[in-house]
Amino acid sequence: GNSVTQMEGPVTLSEEAFLTINCTYTATGYPSLFWYVQYPGEGLQLLLKATKADDKGSNKGFEATYRKETTSFHLEKGSVQVSDSAVYFCALSEVQGAQKLVFGQGTRLTINP
Amino acid sequence: GAVVSQHPSRVICKSGTSVKIECRSLDFQATTMFWYRQFPKQSLMLMATSNEGSKATYEQGVEKDKFLINHASLTLSTLTVTSAHPEDSSFYICSARDGQHYEQYFGPGTRLTVT
Repeated sequence: GNSVTQMEGPVTLSEEAFLTINCTYTATGYPSLFWYVQYPGEGLQLLLKATKADDKGSNKGFEATYRKETTSFHLEKGSVQVSDSAVYFCALSEVQGAQKLVFGQGTRLTINP
Repeated sequence: GAVVSQHPSRVICKSGTSVKIECRSLDFQATTMFWYRQFPKQSLMLMATSNEGSKATYEQGVEKDKFLINHASLTLSTLTVTSAHPEDSSFYICSARDGQHYEQYFGPGTRLTVT
């Protein structure tokens, strides 16, 4: 079945550091890929997405590229801020049927000033 | 942007009682709604998928008689936790999708505590 594996956390960085959160997936067909962010006490918000191979999703300084050859969708940001502290979820959407989302386990990110 | 609300945001109930959680799409018609459960420091687990006007499809291991889902209109789905027990305490999140796009929009979640 479809699955998503994320880099385990928690991850703690200093402000302005470079961030990478690894995400790999297993899927039949060509799923769409997503990164969601969950701030403390809130629901999930879509951060970025990519719908086909080599697409790059970007938002708020975050980027991720859909790599079909390595089945990866790693999240990167060049200079993190304290306000980026949150839990980040990688997810894929099934291509057919109900197009359910399959989530990775989440990575808790803490940025220290 | 698309907005999904949930009510209540927090609820505390006694063991053996039932609790209803509402999920509403505020500015679009949601042909499909999803219900998730999230345990502390864990990922979201899909419980069921509901399409307006039809019975919900439950994921394996989710008791349909315990978690009643109704999607009676294009803007409202409800999850009723029947005869709640302390192990049902969790964070319940809904999402909604319109008929034209694959993207899901998430509600803010409802924290259920069963005492």
